[in-house]
Amino acid sequence: EVKLQQSGDELVRPGASVKMSCKASGYTFTDYAMHWVKQSPGQGLEWIGTIIPLIDTTSYNQKFKGKATLTADKSSNTAYMELSRLTSEDSAVYYCARFWGGGYFDYWGQGVMVTVSS
Amino acid sequence: DVVMTQTPVSLSVSLGGQVSISCRSSQSLVHNNGNTYLSWYLQKPGQSPQLLIYKVSNRFSGISDRFSGSGSGTDFTLKISRVEPDDLGVYYCGQGTQYPLTFGSGTKLEIK
Repeated sequence: EVKLQQSGDELVRPGASVKMSCKASGYTFTDYAMHWVKQSPGQGLEWIGTIIPLIDTTSYNQKFKGKATLTADKSSNTAYMELSRLTSEDSAVYYCARFWGGGYFDYWGQGVMVTVSS
Repeated sequence: DVVMTQTPVSLSVSLGGQVSISCRSSQSLVHNNGNTYLSWYLQKPGQSPQLLIYKVSNRFSGISDRFSGSGSGTDFTLKISRVEPDDLGVYYCGQGTQYPLTFGSGTKLEIK
């Protein structure tokens, strides 16, 4: 069974950084790209970027360059996303999602709610 | 960026009824390889999105045949027949043809 287990919700101060994880199981981690998606409160879905764990290649939505940094640890089958210089605009739920080569997200993590507040 | 426009924003349907959701893209979603990477997702209340349909009309594993997708180029439709209580939530279309990947703004389905 494919499963993406994300880390817990975060409460962080403005200006700080946060790093969240997405542990994959039930498939070969290096066979698929991992993507990250933002959902602001009451809003739709926004693509942040992707990492190909096999070759550690990343690609970002221009909007999130400098904001998000994607990494992956093949030894633990875990993808990470770090968000820096947080503001209230970064308060959202962040999902990791496995991307099938056929151009779609077939499995999603449960989401991490990030709240930026002093 | 490819803009995905979904209509309606919301709709209400009786149990057992049928609904259609439209999704239009600002550019053709036909990839250079000939495939059209348009997918549909359902986000039930309090849950992550789940894949329903991929490549326009292919149902994902375990998805009921009450869900069907159609369309081509820039114009796509999701139809839900014999609506059940578990179908409520927000439906999103998404394109995987061109980066950055983009989604529609969602259609909220309510049960009358």
